[in-house]
Amino acid sequence: ELKVEQNPLFLSMQEGKNYTIYCNYSTTSDRLYWYRQDPGKSLESLFVLLSNGAVKQEGRLMASLDTKARLSTLHITAAVHDLSATYFCAVDSNYQLIWGAGTKLIIKP
Amino acid sequence: DGGITQSPKYLFRKEGQNVTLSCEQNLNHDAMYWYRQDPGQGLRLIYYSQIVNDFQKGDIAEGYSVSREKKESFPLTVTSAQKNPTAFYLCASSGHRGNWSPLHFGNGTRLTVT
Repeated sequence: ELKVEQNPLFLSMQEGKNYTIYCNYSTTSDRLYWYRQDPGKSLESLFVLLSNGAVKQEGRLMASLDTKARLSTLHITAAVHDLSATYFCAVDSNYQLIWGAGTKLIIKP
Repeated sequence: DGGITQSPKYLFRKEGQNVTLSCEQNLNHDAMYWYRQDPGQGLRLIYYSQIVNDFQKGDIAEGYSVSREKKESFPLTVTSAQKNPTAFYLCASSGHRGNWSPLHFGNGTRLTVT
């Protein structure tokens, strides 16, 4: 059974700092997705990573995938308050997505 | 604009009543999904459908039922057999899975059963 673990589950940080969210998964997969969810809202797709070594960047967020290590990272550079949200990773397993529990990120001014 | 519409946004029901959540998409997507989200947790798959008139159980299908009579519509019924139905329900759709495109989500329905 594929399991997806995110850590940390909660992160409070100051604006301007850098940090990384980790997503580990338990079986082979070459396809991983990152989503953002604001409180009480729906999920918004951030990144689609489809191969080993894939790296995607959008603004202050950068995601990468290492399929050999079964690890994806979401790196936040010089955080700003607007990035406060819950971030989910999801791994494709036979056309179904297995979701991590989410990382709640709070960025303080 | 294309998108997924879920209704209602909030729904309150008494225990023992069935309730149906609506999900409509105009993205021309083949696949549609229903997820349940509980506070502080990730998403759990209830049902999914890859094509009209066909659907499959997800990880937590007990107490739920769906239909897929039209490509655009995938309603979810929460039956009285669902022991703990209070949750946030999200509907999603995607194109052909071979394209590995991300899921598009509706804005969700928050169901409270008392």
